[in-house]
Amino acid sequence: GENVEQHPSTLSVQEGDSAVIKCTYSDSASNYFPWYKQELGKRPQLIIDIRSNVGEKKDQRIAVTLNKTAKHFSLHITETQPEDSAVYFCAASSPRDKIIFGKGTRLHILP
Amino acid sequence: DGGITQSPKYLFRKEGQNVTLSCEQNLNHDAMYWYRQDPGQGLRLIYYSQIVNDFQKGDIAEGYSVSREKKESFPLTVTSAQKNPTAFYLCASSVINGFRGEKLFFGSGTQLSVL
Repeated sequence: GENVEQHPSTLSVQEGDSAVIKCTYSDSASNYFPWYKQELGKRPQLIIDIRSNVGEKKDQRIAVTLNKTAKHFSLHITETQPEDSAVYFCAASSPRDKIIFGKGTRLHILP
Repeated sequence: DGGITQSPKYLFRKEGQNVTLSCEQNLNHDAMYWYRQDPGQGLRLIYYSQIVNDFQKGDIAEGYSVSREKKESFPLTVTSAQKNPTAFYLCASSVINGFRGEKLFFGSGTQLSVL
């Protein structure tokens, strides 16, 4: 079955700098890659997703890139702000299988 | 926010006791899911249901049971067979089937602790 590895587990960046979180997946049939953000004490919420027929997707300060050959995808947050502090989860799924989540990255935005 | 409601927010279980976590949604979603969240472990699937009166085991179903008698409701029972039940439990729903690339809508979670 699918296995998703996420790095780093913790990331601290200065406010205004960029943050990058990386994930790898094992199942070459996976074709859907969502990213969820979970603020402290709150529910996870989808922030961006990408499908395997697209290499990059942007939404304001957030972007996701996908390299199908290498089986890895990344979340990029530019001009980080205090409200970006949260735990971020990547995930992968194939048409036949369930969504598998990475273990999460705790992002700290330093003042 | 809104649309999928979990209760209670905090729950305590005594030794040998079964407890039930509630999950209700008014989004008219067909699929519902239960995830367990432990620190540093991500979200692990316990059970899921794609349609009323049908449900499937996830990766860590042992010690848990569910029912799906109504489209809106998907309660999770943590039985006494679950030896390490302390965790944060999240319920989610999706329009059709989250496994095929559908957005998951999560509830606000229930923190279960053992007395």
